[in-house]
Amino acid sequence: DVKVTQSSRYLVKRTGEKVFLECVQDMDHENMFWYRQDPGLGLRLIYFSYDVKMKEKGDIPEGYSVSREKKERFSLILESASTNQTSMYLCASTSGVQPQHFGDGTRLSIL
Amino acid sequence: GENVEQHPSTLSVQEGDSAVIKCTYSDSASNYFPWYKQELGKRPQLIIDIRSNVGEKKDQRIAVTLNKTAKHFSLHITETQPEDSAVYFCAASIGGGGADGLTFGKGTHLIIQP
Repeated sequence: DVKVTQSSRYLVKRTGEKVFLECVQDMDHENMFWYRQDPGLGLRLIYFSYDVKMKEKGDIPEGYSVSREKKERFSLILESASTNQTSMYLCASTSGVQPQHFGDGTRLSIL
Repeated sequence: GENVEQHPSTLSVQEGDSAVIKCTYSDSASNYFPWYKQELGKRPQLIIDIRSNVGEKKDQRIAVTLNKTAKHFSLHITETQPEDSAVYFCAASIGGGGADGLTFGKGTHLIIQP
């Protein structure tokens, strides 16, 4: 069974801080994704990666960056956190034409 | 880019009745359409998916239909049970299995009344 693990379930940070959200998958998947989920808006794609050191912007990349130094790990970075980045963040992975599998999510609050 | 519209936002049905959730998409190049179920506090989980070379797919009480000409697809749940209560999301992708990312609808909160 695919395992996508996000390092924190809940996280509280202050505005202006640099925030790192970590995601690890154990299925040797090439493709990894970061989404944010807000009530009434569904899930929106922030960034994705199809290989180590490769990244592509999704629909809402502003204010975020990513890092993929190893195949199994994909990090989302908030360079200078703002209150409008308070949200649920979901990581997902897939390989080829397989469906995406999601992690449990990180609920991030920016105060 | 792709835009996915999902209706209704809330659906309440009696236990044992059927539920239908509808989605439309804008990009005719989209070829993969998954449906995810998300229970409160849990991760979204794939319940069924369909590719553009198929018009209908069924898995026990769940079925999905796709009309490529009209660019819409629907989720059908028959004989609904209390455990079907959740938020359901439709999505569309050009990348086959979602390798280029998924565009999601805004979700439908399905409530099963006892």
